[in-house]
Amino acid sequence: GAVVSQHPSRVICKSGTSVKIECRSLDFQATTMFWYRQFPKQSLMLMATSNEGSKATYEQGVEKDKFLINHASLTLSTLTVTSAHPEDSSFYICSATLKPGDQPQHFGDGTRLSIL
Amino acid sequence: AQSVTQLGSHVSVSEGALVLLRCNYSSSVPPYLFWYVQYPNQGLQLLLKYTTGATLVKGINGFEAEFKKSETSFHLTKPSAHMSDAAEYFCAVSSTLGRLYFGRGTQLTVWP
Repeated sequence: GAVVSQHPSRVICKSGTSVKIECRSLDFQATTMFWYRQFPKQSLMLMATSNEGSKATYEQGVEKDKFLINHASLTLSTLTVTSAHPEDSSFYICSATLKPGDQPQHFGDGTRLSIL
Repeated sequence: AQSVTQLGSHVSVSEGALVLLRCNYSSSVPPYLFWYVQYPNQGLQLLLKYTTGATLVKGINGFEAEFKKSETSFHLTKPSAHMSDAAEYFCAVSSTLGRLYFGRGTQLTVWP
C-alpha cells in the first residue's frame, strides 16, 4: 500500500526557533499533500493544502508566514513552523494523494512538536 | 458544505462485546465517507471507505460500516471487540476536491 513517511516523529525545542517537518511519499508520486494539526483529545484540523509546484492554499485563520509550506517535488512537502512559541506545541500530521480529489488520503505517523 | 457528527466522545465495551460507533454526516454532494483509527502518537490508518455501490462496507480488523442515505449515517460496527481495538476512531466525509472533514473522534475503551 501507499506509504507516507513523516520526520521527525518528535521534536522539542526552545521558544523562538524554527522547526521543519518533512512529509515524504515513499512509493508513489503525491501531487497533493495536506497538513493537519491536532490538539490533545481533539480532531484533526486542516491547516493547508499543497500542490506540487504551486503555492499552498491555507485555511482561514492559519498564518501563512508562521507556517511555511513547500511542496517542491512530487515526493516531498515540508512544513516549517517559524519562530515557534509554546502555543504552537501540537501534533502535526501530513497526508498525501496521487492527484487532487483522490481518495483515500494516506497519512504519515505525525510529528509531536513541543516548544519550551 | 460537508460536516460530520460523532455521537459519543467515549465508548466503553467489554472484550467480546459488540462495538458500535456512531457517525452522522451532512453533505451537499454525494458523499465519500471514511472511518480512520488512530493509536496514541501515531497518524491515521484507514479502516474502511464508502464511495459508491454496496452500502455495507467491510474493512480491516473485522470492522464494517453501513451507509444509510435516508438517515445520513455511517455507523461503524464490529461484532466482537478485542483489546487491541482500543484507540481513537474518526469518521470523515470528503468534498469533491478531496478535502476531508473529520468528526471530533470517539475514544474506544475495551475492558477485559
